[in-house]
Amino acid sequence: GQNIDQPTEMTATEGAIVQINCTYQTSGFNGLFWYQQHAGEAPTFLSYNVLDGLEEKGRFSSFLSRSKGYSYLLLKELQMKDSASYLCAVPSDSGYSTLTFGKGTMLLVSP
Amino acid sequence: DAGVIQSPRHEVTEMGQEVTLRCKPISGHDYLFWYRQTMMRGLELLIYFNNNVPIDDSGMPEDRFSAKMPNASFSTLKIQPSEPRDSAVYFCASSYSGGSGNTIYFGEGSWLTVV
Repeated sequence: GQNIDQPTEMTATEGAIVQINCTYQTSGFNGLFWYQQHAGEAPTFLSYNVLDGLEEKGRFSSFLSRSKGYSYLLLKELQMKDSASYLCAVPSDSGYSTLTFGKGTMLLVSP
Repeated sequence: DAGVIQSPRHEVTEMGQEVTLRCKPISGHDYLFWYRQTMMRGLELLIYFNNNVPIDDSGMPEDRFSAKMPNASFSTLKIQPSEPRDSAVYFCASSYSGGSGNTIYFGEGSWLTVV
């Protein structure tokens, strides 16, 4: 079956850099997604990695190592508005069109 | 562009009552998903459709739950009878198979409380 692990919560200060890790186990591999979810809101798409390496998108970057079953989301120059839950997700073994989500990492950014 | 639209946004109902949640996917998307989110279990897939046809409903908790998609622009998730343990946020989401990695886009969610 599939298994996705990420830390439950993290704290950081404004202006700092934080790395949120995700490890996964799937029978096949068809990419890894990161979503951001603010309290009381819907998850919104952040990034998609299908090849190994780092993908940079502004203050946010996502890294993937397929051989290690490992990804991380790197957030730079943290702002208060970055306080949210960050969800790691992989296409489901039962159907690549669906996503299986981790339970999310709650990030709290303090002044 | 209009995103995924869900209604109602919030519903409080009594145990035993029927609950109907509605969803309009993004125009042109050929996949529609119903997810449920709770603190304990996180985001779980209940059922998904491709071109209005249910593909996998193995995540539907029990027979009290049913979902339909009568056309490409509308879907419902029904709970009958509702129970307190059904209290959760229900998200509808859609995706386009021709897009990059089949990115899924979520609606704002329907917050259900069963008392």
